[in-house]
Amino acid sequence: QVQLVQSGAEVRKPGASVKVSCKASGYTFTNYGISWVRQAPGQGLEWMGWISAYYGDTNYAQKLQGRVTMTTDTSTTTAYMELRSLRSDDTAVYYCVREADFGGVIVLFYWGQGTQVTVSS
Amino acid sequence: DLQMTQSPSSLSASVGDRVTITCRASQSISNHLNWYQQKPGKAPKVLIYATSSLESGVPSRFSGSGSGTDFTLTISSLQPEDFATYYCQQSYSNLKTFGQGTKVEVK
Repeated sequence: QVQLVQSGAEVRKPGASVKVSCKASGYTFTNYGISWVRQAPGQGLEWMGWISAYYGDTNYAQKLQGRVTMTTDTSTTTAYMELRSLRSDDTAVYYCVREADFGGVIVLFYWGQGTQVTVSS
Repeated sequence: DLQMTQSPSSLSASVGDRVTITCRASQSISNHLNWYQQKPGKAPKVLIYATSSLESGVPSRFSGSGSGTDFTLTISSLQPEDFATYYCQQSYSNLKTFGQGTKVEVK
């Protein structure tokens, strides 16, 4: 069965960086893209970006361009999301999500358990 | 980015009520519209994909409709386990976006 297991909670000071990992199993890693979605406390879902696990191509949300980098390691079937120059409003739960293609419509189908990132001085 | 406007942001309803949530895209997205349900402390799960296709295991009281820019999620008879937050999400653009969410609360 498809599983996405994320790294544990992180606490960072403003201005620092954080790198969250997402270990995938139960499917051919390079066949599917991975999106990252975050959710600030009491707020809605925010799509952050996407990476092709095969090619490494990326698309990032405009507001995060320049601060976020998504990568994959096909040898360990792990995806990574690094966010730099952290601010207090980056405090959120971060999810990795494996996509599925239903007749050309991409669905955010399999979700990791989430990683709490707290930015506080 | 393509914007998704969801309404209402919250609603109060009783068990057995018919509930309708709408989602409007800032430009045509064909049928590339998905709906998710999220309960507190949990990751979202897919309810409906490609506008109207029910994900396996989702009760038939959930349905989706629409095309182009206007979409609807309907719960025909609200059950206790349906009190949750619902999000629409477009995947027409490479930059995927969510609606703001609709919290369905007990009346």
